[in-house]
Amino acid sequence: GENVEQHPSTLSVQEGDSAVIKCTYSDSASNYFPWYKQELGKRPQLIIDIRSNVGEKKDQRIAVTLNKTAKHFSLHITETQPEDSAVYFCAATPVNTGFQKLVFGTGTRLLVSP
Amino acid sequence: EAGVAQSPRYKIIEKRQSVAFWCNPISGHATLYWYQQILGQGPKLLIQFQNNGVVDDSQLPKDRFSAERLKGVDSTLKIQPAKLEDSAVYLCASSLDLSGEQFFGPGTRLTVL
Repeated sequence: GENVEQHPSTLSVQEGDSAVIKCTYSDSASNYFPWYKQELGKRPQLIIDIRSNVGEKKDQRIAVTLNKTAKHFSLHITETQPEDSAVYFCAATPVNTGFQKLVFGTGTRLLVSP
Repeated sequence: EAGVAQSPRYKIIEKRQSVAFWCNPISGHATLYWYQQILGQGPKLLIQFQNNGVVDDSQLPKDRFSAERLKGVDSTLKIQPAKLEDSAVYLCASSLDLSGEQFFGPGTRLTVL
């Protein structure tokens, strides 16, 4: 089955800096890669996702890149703000005949200091 | 639109007791998921329903965990008997269909003493 590794486990940056979180996956059949943000004590929320037919996707200050050959994908946050502080989870799944089974990474705690 | 609802939000029980969690998905969402999130880890899928049928329960410890979605809307997850290692947040999520974006509920934090 799928296995997702996520690094780093914690990341501290100054406000305005960029932050990069990296994930690797094992199942070459995986073709859907969402990223979730989870604030302390709250529910995970989808912030961006990418499918295997594209290499990069951007939404304002966040972007995700995918390297299918190397089986890794990354989350990039530019111009970080204190409200970006949260735990970020990557996930991967094959989507076959419409069925998805998300496997999550272990999470990255991002702390943005003013 | 209203989000995924879960209750209770918190539960403390002693080991060997039983406990049940309830989830009400977003209206019209056919697919419902139960995840277990142990402190410091990512959510782990326990069971997935499509309407009232089970799509995947390969990671559900069936000797003690059970779940149902009898009418294809609300769902309950039960643990009987609970073990210390069951202490976790139990998240319910729903999606429009099998491949759609998953929306998570606030979770139930279970502490087993």
